[in-house]
Amino acid sequence: DIQMTQSPSSLSASVGDRVTITCRASQSISRLSHWYQQKPGEAPKLLISSASILQSGVPSRFSGSGSGTDFTLTISSLQPEDFATYYCQQSYNTPLTFGGGTKVEIK
Amino acid sequence: QVQLVESGGGLVKPGGSLRLSCEASGFIFRDYQMAWIRQAPGKGLEWVSYVDSSGSDMFYADSVKGRFTISRDNAKNSLYLHMSSLRAEDSAVYFCARDQAFGPRLLGFDSWGQGALVTVAS
Repeated sequence: DIQMTQSPSSLSASVGDRVTITCRASQSISRLSHWYQQKPGEAPKLLISSASILQSGVPSRFSGSGSGTDFTLTISSLQPEDFATYYCQQSYNTPLTFGGGTKVEIK
Repeated sequence: QVQLVESGGGLVKPGGSLRLSCEASGFIFRDYQMAWIRQAPGKGLEWVSYVDSSGSDMFYADSVKGRFTISRDNAKNSLYLHMSSLRAEDSAVYFCARDQAFGPRLLGFDSWGQGALVTVAS
C-alpha cells in the first residue's frame, strides 16, 4: 500500500500568512496526488488535482506542486475562510490512500 | 448542477447489515467512476470502495473486503454500498463521491454527497 505522510499535522497561522503543507508518498506516484479542503460538518472539496491543476472556482491563492514522491500545497495569503483541514490523496493505485490531514488554525 | 444524495444510514447492531444508496443528478452518471469514502468521528478520510463507470470492476479497501459490496444502477443514476458483518470500527460518515476522470485513471473526487452516518453499536 502507498502511504501518504502529511506534515505538519496542524499549524497556527494569521490572515495574510503564506502556508505550505507537504505530502510525501511512500513510492513514486507520478503526479497522481490531489488536495482537498474540509470544513467541520461538510464534505471535502477538491482544490488541486494531479499535483498542480487548480479546480474551477478555487481561488488562485491555492497552488500545488510536486511529482514522484513529494508534493506541496501552498496558500499564498491565508484568508479567514481557509481555516480548515487539508488532505492529500493518491490515485496511482489501489488501495487509494489519504494523508492524515493538516488542520490550519487561527493564530 | 452536480448533486449526490446519500441515504440509508442509521444505527445497526454488530454483525448486522445495512445498504447505503447515493442518488446522482446533474451529470451523465454512466460516464463516471464512483466511490465510497468514510470518515470516523474526529478522524481522517478513508477510501472504502470504487466502481468503474459500467459497474464491471469493483475495488475495495482490505478493511471491508468480503463484507461490503459496491454496485451501481446506471439506469437509475444510483450507487449502492451493501455492508454486512458490521463492526464497531465501521461507524463513520459515509460519503459518495464522483471521480472527475472519463478514462480508467482516477484523477480526484470532484463531487461529494453530504454523507450518511452509520453507527454500529449494541
